[in-house]
Amino acid sequence: EVQVVESGGGLVQPGGSLRLSCAASGFTFSDFAMTWVRQAPGKGLQWVSAITGSGDNTDYGDSVKGRFAISRDNSKKTLYLQMTSLRAEDTAVYYCARVVVIPTIWGRWFDPWGQGTLVTVSS
Amino acid sequence: DIQMTQSPSSLSASVGDRVTITCRASQSISIYLNWYQQKPGKAPKLLIYAASRLQTGVPSRFSGSGSGTDFTLTISSLQPEDFATYFCQQTYNIPWTFGQGTKVEIK
Repeated sequence: EVQVVESGGGLVQPGGSLRLSCAASGFTFSDFAMTWVRQAPGKGLQWVSAITGSGDNTDYGDSVKGRFAISRDNSKKTLYLQMTSLRAEDTAVYYCARVVVIPTIWGRWFDPWGQGTLVTVSS
Repeated sequence: DIQMTQSPSSLSASVGDRVTITCRASQSISIYLNWYQQKPGKAPKLLIYAASRLQTGVPSRFSGSGSGTDFTLTISSLQPEDFATYFCQQTYNIPWTFGQGTKVEIK
């Protein structure tokens, strides 16, 4: 079964740091880009960051650029999100997802998603 | 950034109804448009990718159409398990962006 499972969320004070992990199974991890998406309580979905399969290229949303760093360890089949200088507005459930691209089909999509891990930034 | 606008934001419908949700992009995104379903407390689930392709395992009552800037998600006959929030997403340009969501509620 293709699966991703997040961990590492919790309560952190403003200005603090936290590292999220996402363990993948059931597919060749290094063949796929991966991504983080967050959802603030009662709100919609916001794309956070993505990384290529090799880890050579990364992208970030403007709201986290310079504060968050995405990385991966293909030998451990694990994706990470290092979050620093956390703010109250970073409070959200953070989901990781696999980015699927099929050469014969235009487009890219997220599947599967993990169950999410809650990050709460509060004093 | 490409803005994705869904309508309506919410709707009430009965079991068996035909439901249509629209999604408009602020610029052309070809068919780089996906639809997800999210139930309370759960992760989003992929329904439709590349505007009209049904994800494996998703019931055939779900369908998607459109290209360019205007897209639709249709549920041909609403079932009790379809009451949820639906999000569209563009992956044409980074930052990848989502619509604000459409909550489908029981009438």
